[in-house]
Amino acid sequence: GDSVTQMEGPVTLSEEAFLTINCTYTATGYPSLFWYVQYPGEGLQLLLKATKADDKGSNKGFEATYRKETTSFHLEKGSVQVSDSAVYFCALSEYDMRFGAGTRLTVKP
Amino acid sequence: SAVISQKPSRDICQRGTSLTIQCQVDSQVTMMFWYRQQPGQSLTLIATANQGSEATYESGFVIDKFPISRPNLTFSTLTVSNMSPEDSSIYLCSCQGESKNIQYFGAGTRLSVL
Repeated sequence: GDSVTQMEGPVTLSEEAFLTINCTYTATGYPSLFWYVQYPGEGLQLLLKATKADDKGSNKGFEATYRKETTSFHLEKGSVQVSDSAVYFCALSEYDMRFGAGTRLTVKP
Repeated sequence: SAVISQKPSRDICQRGTSLTIQCQVDSQVTMMFWYRQQPGQSLTLIATANQGSEATYESGFVIDKFPISRPNLTFSTLTVSNMSPEDSSIYLCSCQGESKNIQYFGAGTRLSVL
């Protein structure tokens, strides 16, 4: 069945560092791909999405490109801030929604 | 996008009691979902709730333990019945967006069972 494999955390970075969180997927067809973010004490918020190969999703300085050839959807940000500290979930949706295990990011001043 | 109000935001309950979680959407939606997020874990789908029909439960979840109501297109409830400490989790509701692949989430209910 469909599944998402996400880079294990936790990840700790200094402010203004470059962020990459790896995500790969397995699917039988052509899923849509998502990154959700969960700030401390809150629910999940949709961060960005991509619905077909080579699409790039972007929001709040975060980017991810749907790579069909490598079945990947890595999350990147050029310069993280303390306020980016949260748990990030990669997800795919084909017949239902499948979530990765989540990666906890802590950004230190 | 859809805005979901979920309540209560947190509760501490005694073993053997039941808690009903409410989820209100600001627009009419066909499909709503209930998830459990155990401490430090990802989300696990409990059930899918469509208006006017019985909820569809995932493997490992049963109606007697997690009864769900879906009386109209903007509202759903999940009851956690006969609670034990193992039920301590975050419970999240979500709804399907206009683009059917997207889900929008409520803020979650943080449940602790003593």
